Amino acid sequence: LAKTTQPISMDSYEGQEVNITCSHNNIATNDYITWYQQFPSQGPRFIIQGYKTKVTNEVASLFIPADRKSSTLSLPRVSLSDTAVYYCLVGDLAGGFKTIFGAGTRLFVKA
Amino acid sequence: DVKVTQSSRYLVKRTGEKVFLECVQDMDHENMFWYRQDPGLGLRLIYFSYDVKMKEKGDIPEGYSVSREKKERFSLILESASTNQTSMYLCASRGPLGSGNQPQHFGDGTRLSIL
Repeated sequence: LAKTTQPISMDSYEGQEVNITCSHNNIATNDYITWYQQFPSQGPRFIIQGYKTKVTNEVASLFIPADRKSSTLSLPRVSLSDTAVYYCLVGDLAGGFKTIFGAGTRLFVKA
Repeated sequence: DVKVTQSSRYLVKRTGEKVFLECVQDMDHENMFWYRQDPGLGLRLIYFSYDVKMKEKGDIPEGYSVSREKKERFSLILESASTNQTSMYLCASRGPLGSGNQPQHFGDGTRLSIL
C-alpha cells in the first residue's frame, strides 16, 4: 500500500479556495486516490476519488498530474463548516480490503 | 445514500467486562470493517469481513474478536476490556471490489471509555 504525505494543518478564510496537496511517490498502476473528510465526533465521509487528470463533483475537484505521484484536493470558496480533517488515501482493488488512513490535514477556516 | 449505524454513540464500561459494539449497514455490502481512532495515530484497522461468517485480522486485532452472522451486521467484541481500549471505534462498509473502486462508508462512531 502506498504511503501518503500531507500537511498536518492549514488555515484559510471564508470564501477562499483551498488546495490540499498529498504526496504518494510509490503509487502503483492500479491505485486510485481517494479523499475523505472528517468532522469531530463523526466518521470519515467520502468526498472524491480519481485515477488521473481531473475529477470534479459538487463538493470538490481533484487534480492528478501525469506522473500521479501527488494529487491536490481543491475546495472552492470554503465556509466555516468546511473546518475538518481531510484524509488522502491511495489503494487499489487487488490490495483490497486494507485502507491506510494517515494523520490527515486539519483545515481551519476562519471568518 | 448508504447508511451505517452504530448502536451506541457513547459507552462506559469497566475493566474486565465483555463489551459488544454493533454495526448495521443497509446497502447489502459484502465488506465491513472495524477501526479504532486515537489522537495522533489516525484510523487503525482492527478486523474486516468480506462475507457472512468470514473475517480477517487487520493491523491491531489483539484483545478483539468479531462476529458476522448476517450480511448487514458486524459486531466487534472486547473479550475482557482494558483501559488501553478506551478509544473511538468506527465501523465502515464497502461494496464488492469487482464493481469499481468503491469508497468506504462510515458510521458516526462509538466513543468507548473503559474505567
